[in-house]
Amino acid sequence: GAVVSQHPSRVICKSGTSVKIECRSLDFQATTMFWYRQFPKQSLMLMATSNEGSKATYEQGVEKDKFLINHASLTLSTLTVTSAHPEDSSFYICSARVYSSRPTASYEQYFGPGTRLTVT
Amino acid sequence: AQSVTQLGSHVSVSEGALVLLRCNYSSSVPPYLFWYVQYPNQGLQLLLKYTTGATLVKGINGFEAEFKKSETSFHLTKPSAHMSDAAEYFCAFSPRGFQKLVFGTGTRLLVSP
Repeated sequence: GAVVSQHPSRVICKSGTSVKIECRSLDFQATTMFWYRQFPKQSLMLMATSNEGSKATYEQGVEKDKFLINHASLTLSTLTVTSAHPEDSSFYICSARVYSSRPTASYEQYFGPGTRLTVT
Repeated sequence: AQSVTQLGSHVSVSEGALVLLRCNYSSSVPPYLFWYVQYPNQGLQLLLKYTTGATLVKGINGFEAEFKKSETSFHLTKPSAHMSDAAEYFCAFSPRGFQKLVFGTGTRLLVSP
């Protein structure tokens, strides 16, 4: 259970174009999903929190107009990189928040496999 | 400020040797603590987590971690390394009652035959 998928796994686009990345929870519903960015050999940086039916909450320094997030259903969140530039090339990872009652009540995040974006 | 520090960007062990990956956190509120593993070009997989209760937490693949409040640490251990353990390991922290995860910088575990 708690499987998260991302599509596409890899994408190459030309500078100035837009790219959409999908994040799906396959066997559960997720009211909250997260989008991260990971540079080579570095840690994950939280970009935004995506809540179903409402606007995403962006972290400081993340351009809202450049990284459009839509969480239209309980199983799908999308990240659109608009007018992509080479500096947007990165590994983008989404996660879905799941409530777990074992061993103690808490939230966990289940991560997708990531999308590698290359902007030429 | 709330943060996570992982000592050592790379740790090398021989197959069969003890694995010890270090993680320290800084928080003004009780933390939830997590260890994740990442294989090349893949997402993160949860190894184990500490929320409340028993401070020694057992996870998948033979890993365990101990929460030590006095030392603000949550080190990850495995008695005997296997070649398949070679990966990137991330310690993460979430202030209790919040939903965001703060990740450490990661430690790459290298296992030699």
